Amino acid sequence: EAQVTQNPRYLITVTGKKLTVTCSQNMNHEYMSWYRQDPGLGLRQIYYSMNVEVTDKGDVPEGYKVSRKEKRNFPLILESPSPNQTSLYFCASSLSVVGGVNYGYTFGSGTRLTVV
Amino acid sequence: AQSVAQPEDQVNVAEGNPLTVKCTYSVSGNPYLFWYVQYPNRGLQFLLKYITGDNLVKGSYGFEAEFNKSQTSFHLKKPSALVSDSALYFCAVRDRPYGQNFVFGPGTRLSVLP
Repeated sequence: EAQVTQNPRYLITVTGKKLTVTCSQNMNHEYMSWYRQDPGLGLRQIYYSMNVEVTDKGDVPEGYKVSRKEKRNFPLILESPSPNQTSLYFCASSLSVVGGVNYGYTFGSGTRLTVV
Repeated sequence: AQSVAQPEDQVNVAEGNPLTVKCTYSVSGNPYLFWYVQYPNRGLQFLLKYITGDNLVKGSYGFEAEFNKSQTSFHLKKPSALVSDSALYFCAVRDRPYGQNFVFGPGTRLSVLP
């Protein structure tokens, strides 16, 4: 089944304790992205990657890191989590452009992170 | 920079009635518009998109959306709502056909009452 898999689904951690949220896709997609979802703010892009070893900041990158060493994996790293990073996080991937048309994202099921 | 507005936080509709979830956008060039749906405890699912061509776009689960360039709108519609349509709906826009910098609206919660 074509899918984007995030782990863990739920995580409670303490301020300052480094954590990694993993994201893997099995569709050979080139583009991958991380979003956070907060009430009233919709989804805001944290980082995105257009291909292996190519990453760039989205709208809210502060406090986050990413890496793209392999096409299928795009982990999100919080070096020193803070309570304002409590949120619902989504990883998404997308086909590369075909004829100028992008077919939209496939999203993971989400990771609910609480930082206390 | 592009932006998306969904003016209603919540839309309530009776089962069997038509539904509309509103979306307006702002982009500097041609808009590329998308609707996604999020069911409880699930990730977002793609519903439909407007890239070019007919202004009326048909998507999954009987949904459709109408692109109106003069009103900069892309409202989501369905002729007859189902209770199972109750979910959170997001409109998204991009100002180019490629690249991944979607801008999402804040979301509209649709409740379909039996």
